[in-house]
Amino acid sequence: DVHLAQSRAEVKKPGESLTISCKASGFDFPNFWVGWVRQRPGEGLEWMGLVFPADPESRYNPSFEGRVTISADKSTATAYLMWDSLEASDSGFYYCVRLASVGHSAFDLWGQGTQLNVSS
Amino acid sequence: DIQMTQSPSTLSASVGDRVTITCRASQNIYDWVAWYQQKPGLAPKLLIYKASNLETGVPSRFSGSGSGTEFTLTINSLQSDDFASYYCQQYDSYAYTFGPGTKVDIK
Repeated sequence: DVHLAQSRAEVKKPGESLTISCKASGFDFPNFWVGWVRQRPGEGLEWMGLVFPADPESRYNPSFEGRVTISADKSTATAYLMWDSLEASDSGFYYCVRLASVGHSAFDLWGQGTQLNVSS
Repeated sequence: DIQMTQSPSTLSASVGDRVTITCRASQNIYDWVAWYQQKPGLAPKLLIYKASNLETGVPSRFSGSGSGTEFTLTINSLQSDDFASYYCQQYDSYAYTFGPGTKVDIK
């Protein structure tokens, strides 16, 4: 069974660093693009970026480039989303996603989501 | 950047209705559109990819159409399980943008 299992919810203060994770199972992780999508409370979906674990090559939404780092460890089939310095505006749900192999145009597998609350 | 708009933002319907949601792109995206369903507290789920292709396991009452800049998601004979939010998403050279969403609620 294919699955993306994300790390637990986090409560952090502004300025703190954070890494959240996404453990993949049931598919050839190194050879699929995986990435992250943000959803702020009551809002829509924003694609943040992707990484191809076999390379690893990464692509970012310009709105998030420089603010976060997306990486992957093919030996543990785990993707990561990292912040050096959190801001209150980073609060929201973060979904790990797999990019479909056909056409690379849609996200066909989603993790359960990791909720992040950044507050002083 | 390619922008996506959706209409309506909210739609009230009854079980058995035929529902149509429209998504428009700010420029030609050929057929590179996907549609997702999201229920409260859950992750989105892929319904349609490449404008009209039904994802495996998705009921056949869902269908997608369109090309260029205008796309539609149709739900034939709305079921109680279909009350949710729906998002379109475009793809252009490893850049992805979602529409703002349409909430389908009970009339």
